[in-house]
Amino acid sequence: AQSVTQPDIHITVSEGASLELRCNYSYGATPYLFWYVQSPGQGLQLLLKYFSGDTLVQGIKGFEAEFKRSQSSFNLRKPSVHWSDAAEYFCAGAYNNNDMRFGAGTRLTVKP
Amino acid sequence: SAVISQKPSRDICQRGTSLTIQCQVDSQVTMMFWYRQQPGQSLTLIATANQGSEATYESGFVIDKFPISRPNLTFSTLTVSNMSPEDSSIYLCSVEGGGASKYEQFFGPGTRLTVL
Repeated sequence: AQSVTQPDIHITVSEGASLELRCNYSYGATPYLFWYVQSPGQGLQLLLKYFSGDTLVQGIKGFEAEFKRSQSSFNLRKPSVHWSDAAEYFCAGAYNNNDMRFGAGTRLTVKP
Repeated sequence: SAVISQKPSRDICQRGTSLTIQCQVDSQVTMMFWYRQQPGQSLTLIATANQGSEATYESGFVIDKFPISRPNLTFSTLTVSNMSPEDSSIYLCSVEGGGASKYEQFFGPGTRLTVL
């Protein structure tokens, strides 16, 4: 079955430290992959997406993600975390328009 | 990208009543989606709403409980009927991007529903 897995429910990092959020997918073929962020009380905002081509994708707010087919992964990274990055992060995969699957989410806490 | 608004932003309702949530998009879109996000959980697709046709519901969601209207290409409503405390969730609508944003979905701010 098609699915997206985020192994980490909650991650805490210090402000200024680097960040990596993990995402694995299980699809028959490579899906379209997305990372969304949800700040408290807000809707979802797209950080970046991967369709094809360059496996290192740059997004907004200084985030990037790397697609690794051999590992079925699409991990999100940021070299230096800011306090405003504290939020819930969702990885999602889509194989067609009406079949977007979301991971369980990773809650990021940023320590001063 | 599409700009999406939802009304109400939040509500507190009594058990057994119904609430209709509105979703307005600033451009014409073919596909609109309704999601439920239970407390501390991820998003679960309720249904896909295409203009001019009946909504397509996901497993576990039925039209009697979550009737959806899609009268035009910029608007949709979701009704949560005969509510119980288990319906307390955030309800989000989204639209598919199309064109260069194909398969991408843009989300509204959500409606936070509390059922007492």
